[in-house]
Amino acid sequence: GAGVSQSPSNKVTEKGKDVELRCDPISGHTALYWYRQSLGQGLEFLIYFQGNSAPDKSGLPSDRFSAERTGGSVSTLTIQRTQQEDSAVYLCASVQSSGKDEQFFGPGTRLTVL
Amino acid sequence: EDQVTQSPEALRLQEGESSSLNCSYTVSGLRGLFWYRQDPGKGPEFLFTLYSAGEEKEKERLKATLTKKESFLHITAPKPEDSATYLCAVQVRGSGSRLTFGEGTQLTVNP
Repeated sequence: GAGVSQSPSNKVTEKGKDVELRCDPISGHTALYWYRQSLGQGLEFLIYFQGNSAPDKSGLPSDRFSAERTGGSVSTLTIQRTQQEDSAVYLCASVQSSGKDEQFFGPGTRLTVL
Repeated sequence: EDQVTQSPEALRLQEGESSSLNCSYTVSGLRGLFWYRQDPGKGPEFLFTLYSAGEEKEKERLKATLTKKESFLHITAPKPEDSATYLCAVQVRGSGSRLTFGEGTQLTVNP
């Protein structure tokens, strides 16, 4: 079956511009996560959606970052006024249900801020 | 603060040369420990979840073990296609189901 998909696969933007990154989770998966992977660093948790509950935004690095999940499916991560330190691979993962289940990752979006 | 440390950072093996990767963790309460494999330009691919000390899981040439302080990923008779970055992550009680990752071990298996 189809896995997690993300778009675009690559995004190059200029400092100060806004960007939107999209994640399509596996159909039927109730939980969705965003992580960031910077060069030479481990994956860093950003935000978590579970069903209709309020999202866990505790990993967002600044108020320039926001995310939404519409209809319990597709999610969009928005970064406003991008900075060079935002350059990273942004990964999305979905889970069939909350708890200990494994997270299935998409291929990521590589963001480069010039 | 929850911490996950993986060692070594990089490992080069000859085909058939068995070895182990280490993941040590310091967390307030472990719910689960996860191993992932990541190939260049791709997202992490799930390998194993371990929930309690003493638990072991195997898949082909890989075997994961767990103690109260660390996990090992044993690779028996590796092949070049096992070359990848192996990531360890923990899920901590009271932190929802987010994963806290180590920085990974980059494994290269030469033919």
